[in-house]
This record gives sequence, structure tokens and C-alpha cells, in this order.
Amino acid sequence: DQQVKQNSPSLSVQEGRISILNCDYTNSMFDYFLWYKKYPAEGPTFLISISSIKDKNEDGRFTVFLNKSAKHLSLHIVPSQPGDSAVYFCAASLQYSSNTGKLIFGQGTTLQVKP
Amino acid sequence: NAGVTQTPKFRILKIGQSMTLQCAQDMNHNYMYWYRQDPGMGLKLIYYSVGAGITDKGEVPNGYNVSRSTTEDFPLRLELAAPSQTSVYFCASSYTRQGPSNEQFFGPGTRLTVL
Repeated sequence: DQQVKQNSPSLSVQEGRISILNCDYTNSMFDYFLWYKKYPAEGPTFLISISSIKDKNEDGRFTVFLNKSAKHLSLHIVPSQPGDSAVYFCAASLQYSSNTGKLIFGQGTTLQVKP
Repeated sequence: NAGVTQTPKFRILKIGQSMTLQCAQDMNHNYMYWYRQDPGMGLKLIYYSVGAGITDKGEVPNGYNVSRSTTEDFPLRLELAAPSQTSVYFCASSYTRQGPSNEQFFGPGTRLTVL
């Protein structure tokens, strides 16, 4: 029962172009979504988040879009840089209805940005 | 601040052995979590704690135990190690369950192999 899915295991883009990473979820009660970035041999680090009351959140080169009707979110990286090469995880939570802070993670997408 | 620290970084266990994975945070976070990440998979929640003296099971708790006697420490105990417990283990912490950000801070991970 995979509640958060990242259907693309990998993505390769050219430096300077846009990277689009996708994530789908099944539980309509999720009210907060996060993206994490993970380099090899390191723990995940927080990248950007979005509340379910919004449809877009932007932070520098990173923008997250949320389509609640489609239960779909995406992370756009513009322009992509070689240092962005990493594994990206999306995660969802019941932020405002649960007292646990638990996150449900997708399987991850490995992004490779070629110079 | 050291953030979230985990020891050891690597460990090889024989089937049936036991060990404790250590996790500590110096950010005065109330919430702490243990995840495991198997190859090609996302992070699965093993156990979590919402404060000292309070712990609860996550998605995959079988074969593990935790305790939370202080705010800072959240050790994970493996009893009778099995090959299925070969994985990378991440500890994480967060300050608040609600609000605009439920960012979890992750440690660098412990790579465990059971032979």
C-alpha cells in the first residue's frame, strides 16, 4: 500500500535546462508535502515544502506545484546545475490533523544533471 | 550545533546477534524518528517518539525496540538480527508537528549488514 509514489526511478537532464520531478499520492487527507534531497552516504536534507491550501511555492531555483484534484505534486528546478545531482524524495504528512509529525516517503528519483 | 548524530556509521552483524544504534540531537527537538531505507525504496518509519518517555510504532516495527529516556537520545535496539534487517538506518528529529514547517532533520545514517 504505497501512499506516496514516485514512478520515475531516474531522470537525466542537461545543465541549464529544467528538471521536473513528479510525485503522486493516494490519501486525500494529506495536508502537507515536502521534498528532500539526498546525496550518497549522507542523510536527506529538507529542500522545500507546500501546504495543501496552496498550489505553488517557490524558493530560488526550486518551485513545487500541487494539484490536489489530481493528487499530484511536482518539483521544478530551473536552471539545473550539476550540484543538483542527487536522489529526491517527496513526502506527505497529516500536518494539521495528527499529533505525530510522521512523514510518508516516496521511493525517490535519482536526478543526474550533465555538464 | 552538531544537529543529529548517529553511531556507528557502519556495522556488520551475524545472524542472531543484537546491537543498539545510537542517535542524539542537540536542537532540543521533541519529536524523533527512526527510518530504514532499503535499496531502491523510500524511507520506512520504524518507531517514533513525541517526547521523553513516549514512543510508538511506525510502519515496520517488527524486530526493533526503542526507548526515549531523555529529550536528546533515541536509541534503536535490534534483537536477534536477521538478514532482512540489512539496510541503512536514519534517525531524524523535528521541533514541532504543526505550523508552516514540519521539517525533519536527519542524521548521516548507519549502514548495517547482517550475514
